[in-house]
Amino acid sequence: DIQMTQSPSSLSASVGDRVTVTCRASQTISTFLNWYQQRPGRAPKLLIYAASNLQSGVPSRFSGSGSGTDFTLTISSLQPEDFATYYCQQSYSAPWTFGQGTKVEIK
Amino acid sequence: QVQLQESGPGLVKPSGTLSLTCAVSGGSISSSNWWTWVRQPPGKGLEWIGDIYHSGSTTYSPSLKSRLTISADKAKNQFSLYLRSLTAADTAVYYCVRGGDRNYAGGNYYYMDVWGKGTTVTVS
Repeated sequence: DIQMTQSPSSLSASVGDRVTVTCRASQTISTFLNWYQQRPGRAPKLLIYAASNLQSGVPSRFSGSGSGTDFTLTISSLQPEDFATYYCQQSYSAPWTFGQGTKVEIK
Repeated sequence: QVQLQESGPGLVKPSGTLSLTCAVSGGSISSSNWWTWVRQPPGKGLEWIGDIYHSGSTTYSPSLKSRLTISADKAKNQFSLYLRSLTAADTAVYYCVRGGDRNYAGGNYYYMDVWGKGTTVTVS
């Protein structure tokens, strides 16, 4: 199985901050990488697919980059509704695997 | 738009079998999608369980394969999960999810784009 490792596990930030979350795969996965947002008590929501493509309806302050083994999710200006846990997921080979999550908390 | 709704018992006994159903509305289970189950233990991350393609072919997590069956009922537009020999480690929120793919830059990129609200299952 491909292991996905996110860093940091949690971070504190203020509204308006630029936030970056990193995801690393245990082997190369090209750009077969998705990002999800999960607010407390809610189901995950797809934000980005194929490493850098914004899902329909997702605000443009979210962006993704990377290829191979190293990927980043960036929130350009953190909004109150962005405080949540973010997961990366590889779609290179089954079984699909997720990172352990990065919790973005209010500073 | 497509909506998914999980149903099933909230409490099951150890060594028993979990049976969950996901009702699909606003779309057809016969569409070219993977109908998927994902779970999340309390306070932990997401774990992909397995899926069934519209053709009926299934793919299961290797760690659960020996205990797992996923099936679909096209007449009822729903799909189901059966997990046997339950232990406390199977306690989790179970989500049914639609998997899709998109052709982009010469590749087919898979993602999970529609999620049910989740149902809590406790093994005790």
